[in-house]
Amino acid sequence: QVQLVESGGGLVKPGGSLRLSCAASGFTFSDYYMTWIRQAPGKGLEWVSYISRDGSTIYYADSVRGRFTISRDNAETSLYLQMNSLRAEDTAVYYCARVLGGTTPNGAFDIWGQGTMVTVSA
Amino acid sequence: DIQMTQSPSSVSASVGDRVTITCRASQAISYWVAWYQQRPGKAPKLLMYSASRLQSGVPSRFSGSGSGTDFSLTISSLQPEDFATYYCQQVNSFPYTFGQGTKLEIK
Repeated sequence: QVQLVESGGGLVKPGGSLRLSCAASGFTFSDYYMTWIRQAPGKGLEWVSYISRDGSTIYYADSVRGRFTISRDNAETSLYLQMNSLRAEDTAVYYCARVLGGTTPNGAFDIWGQGTMVTVSA
Repeated sequence: DIQMTQSPSSVSASVGDRVTITCRASQAISYWVAWYQQRPGKAPKLLMYSASRLQSGVPSRFSGSGSGTDFSLTISSLQPEDFATYYCQQVNSFPYTFGQGTKLEIK
């Protein structure tokens, strides 16, 4: 079935780095735009980053621009988020999601992973 | 950035009630709004897209409306599984932004 599975979360010290992965299955990964969203403990949803099907178009939230890098490997059907210079305020569950619409993206996020927790603390 | 203001922030209702949640955008965004449901400890689930289009597999008691700056999500007859937190999201322009959420609780 259509599935996204995140991995790579954990505890990291402020200033440290972490790389999240999102393994896709059950659909043609290369046909879809993809995105990362996060949710701090007890808080609402915050969109983080977005990547086009071939990786040529990328957007970031202001809060992560210059520190986070989104990428994808269509051959490996995987999405990544490289997170550098981590801060306490980056502590959150990180979700990867598929953008509805395939080759004509709608913008809404129709398939979500289960999330991976990132904790930034000394 | 486009701000999405949801109301109410929480609401108490009973099984069988009709509930409406509203979302106001800080500028006109046509119909580029999505609605999500999130149960505790779970990932969000897409309910509506393009303001009024029901996502596949979502029960027809959910409906959405609006365009421009004002949007709403209505649940026509609450079921026990509907008690959750609901978020609106604008997908008109980057950065995509979410409303702060509406927690729907059992009365």
